[in-house]
Amino acid sequence: QKEVEQDPGPLSVPEGAIVSLNCTYSNSAFQYFMWYRQYSRKGPELLMYTYSSGNKEDGRFTAQVDKSSKYISLFIRDSQPSDSATYLCAMSEDNYGQNFVFGPGTRLSVLP
Amino acid sequence: GAGVSQSPSNKVTEKGKDVELRCDPISGHTALYWYRQSLGQGLEFLIYFQGNSAPDKSGLPSDRFSAERTGGSVSTLTIQRTQQEDSAVYLCASSPPTLAGGPRRWFFGEGSRLTVL
Repeated sequence: QKEVEQDPGPLSVPEGAIVSLNCTYSNSAFQYFMWYRQYSRKGPELLMYTYSSGNKEDGRFTAQVDKSSKYISLFIRDSQPSDSATYLCAMSEDNYGQNFVFGPGTRLSVLP
Repeated sequence: GAGVSQSPSNKVTEKGKDVELRCDPISGHTALYWYRQSLGQGLEFLIYFQGNSAPDKSGLPSDRFSAERTGGSVSTLTIQRTQQEDSAVYLCASSPPTLAGGPRRWFFGEGSRLTVL
């Protein structure tokens, strides 16, 4: 079992849909969680950062952490074609950069 | 430019050749990371530089891989005697100093796509 798992997709949704992207993990000690967006042939860019459990909202994006289930989610409301990208989750026990474990990413396609 | 710059953007080489990949981080960023991204795989940590401290090389997959960072700025990742399994996108990221409890913020370059024939 991989330490961090994501459904690779591709996930195709119509414009305006609510998108749910998820990661599961096996290490119960993870407490720092991030979501990155990566456009084709570009480097990843940070979308959301959360510590421990709970929700965090930023515009159309909401990140949720459920540590009891070892499950994190990224919700995108009113999805746009410009949201089409690969979404990577990353997590760590501490905040040391080299210790973050990345998921393989979910490829999202928002159709106009 | 203002972002992390990597070169070359694409590199095709023959098995057994050595390659050098370059990363120019954002000015003032003390931390620099190299990652490898293979198709269908998550980012794989390779090496981490922080200021003048000894680098964390724990992610390097073999002794064919090495990296250096000169003057606390530009970094070069060298792969000797390349193998086909080295084919991947090599991403560099830099990070400013992090406040206690604050988010770790990486700024990634666009990567160097390596193909070993």
